[in-house]
Amino acid sequence: QVQLVQSGAEVKKPGASVKISCKASGYTFTSHYMHWVRQAPGQGLEWMGVINPTDGSTSYAQKLQGRVTMTRDTSTSTVYMELSSLRSEDTAVYYCAGGGYSGNSYLDFWGQGTLVTVSS
Amino acid sequence: SYELTQPPSVSVSPGQTASITCSGDKLGDKYTCWYQQKPGQSPVVVIYQDRKRPSGIPERFSGSNSGNTATLTISGTQAMDEADYYCQAWDSSSVVFGGGTKLTVL
Repeated sequence: QVQLVQSGAEVKKPGASVKISCKASGYTFTSHYMHWVRQAPGQGLEWMGVINPTDGSTSYAQKLQGRVTMTRDTSTSTVYMELSSLRSEDTAVYYCAGGGYSGNSYLDFWGQGTLVTVSS
Repeated sequence: SYELTQPPSVSVSPGQTASITCSGDKLGDKYTCWYQQKPGQSPVVVIYQDRKRPSGIPERFSGSNSGNTATLTISGTQAMDEADYYCQAWDSSSVVFGGGTKLTVL
């Protein structure tokens, strides 16, 4: 079955960076784009960006440009999301989600989420 | 930037029909999908491409999209449908989410 397994919870200090992994299984890794979505406590969903596992090309939300980097390792079917210069407002659950990259696509399957807490 | 607007909350009695709206400029010209998220869980898509249901999603979930408004309709609402619902569309190669609607079944 299709599965996305994310790395565990993280606690970081302001100004630090965090790197979260998302390991895919149960499907052809390069057949779906991988999106990252975050959700602050008690808040809604926020799209962060997307990576094409085939060639590693990325597209990031304008708000996070310069702070977010998405990469992939095809040998292990894993994608990574690194967020730098962390601030308290980055405290959230971070999800990876597989889907398409076009106007008729959607986020078909999701990881379990990774809680990142930014606190001094 | 493109915005999608949802009512913060909707209440419905068990067995009745719940309608959750999502508004955006010329939203009817785009495809809309809907996600259900229960407390402590990851979102699950319940409607995609305006009105299609993924396998495993009950027939009581339906969708429509016209003009500036997309609507998620839950017929014969059950207690298990109580959750947060998010609409989503695409704009300029970016994913846009609505703010979410808390559906209460009481």
